[in-house]
Amino acid sequence: DIQMTQSPSSLSASVGDRLTVTCRASQGISNYLAWYQQKPGKVPKLLIYGASTLQSGVPSRFSGSGSGTDFTLTISSLQPEDVATYYCQKYNGVSFTFGPGTKVDVK
Amino acid sequence: EVQLLESGGGFVQPGGSLSLSCAASGFNFTIYALNWVRQAPGKGLEWVSTISADSESTYYADSVKGRFTISRDNSNNILYLQMNSLRVEDTAMYFCTKGRGSTGTSCYNYWGQGALVTVSS
Repeated sequence: DIQMTQSPSSLSASVGDRLTVTCRASQGISNYLAWYQQKPGKVPKLLIYGASTLQSGVPSRFSGSGSGTDFTLTISSLQPEDVATYYCQKYNGVSFTFGPGTKVDVK
Repeated sequence: EVQLLESGGGFVQPGGSLSLSCAASGFNFTIYALNWVRQAPGKGLEWVSTISADSESTYYADSVKGRFTISRDNSNNILYLQMNSLRVEDTAMYFCTKGRGSTGTSCYNYWGQGALVTVSS
């Protein structure tokens, strides 16, 4: 099975900072990669699919890139409401694995 | 408005069985894949199972294969998860999710609020 890893596992940044979260697949998955945001105590929400397509209604400060095995989620200007855990997920093949998550805090 | 409402969660002893349901509304149920995702207390998301729109294809995580069965009723807009031989490590919140497309190769654009399953002696 293809394994998904994320780095870092957690980070703390200031409001307005640009931050990047990385997701890596153990084998190529083309662009079958989604990013989800889960705020504390809330249900996960789809942010990005197809590695780089922004889901409707998601602020434009979020962006995604990558293909194959290496992917990134970027928040161009961190806002207080972005405090959450971010998960990547592969959705090709027969196993639709999530990454372990990256917890983002605001300093 | 898309709504996914899980039910059937509860407390069960190891080795027992439980059946989850997810009642869906607000979209054309028959043309979208559906999924179950779980989250153990304080842990990350774990994909559990997926069923295609026409029920022809089903997929399971290795951790539940042979013990869980996913099914759907396209006449009544209900998704099911039959869970047998439950283990302590199956304790989690179980989310019903709607795929963006009709097959398993689609991510999840809507999530239910979840049903809590607790397996303990």
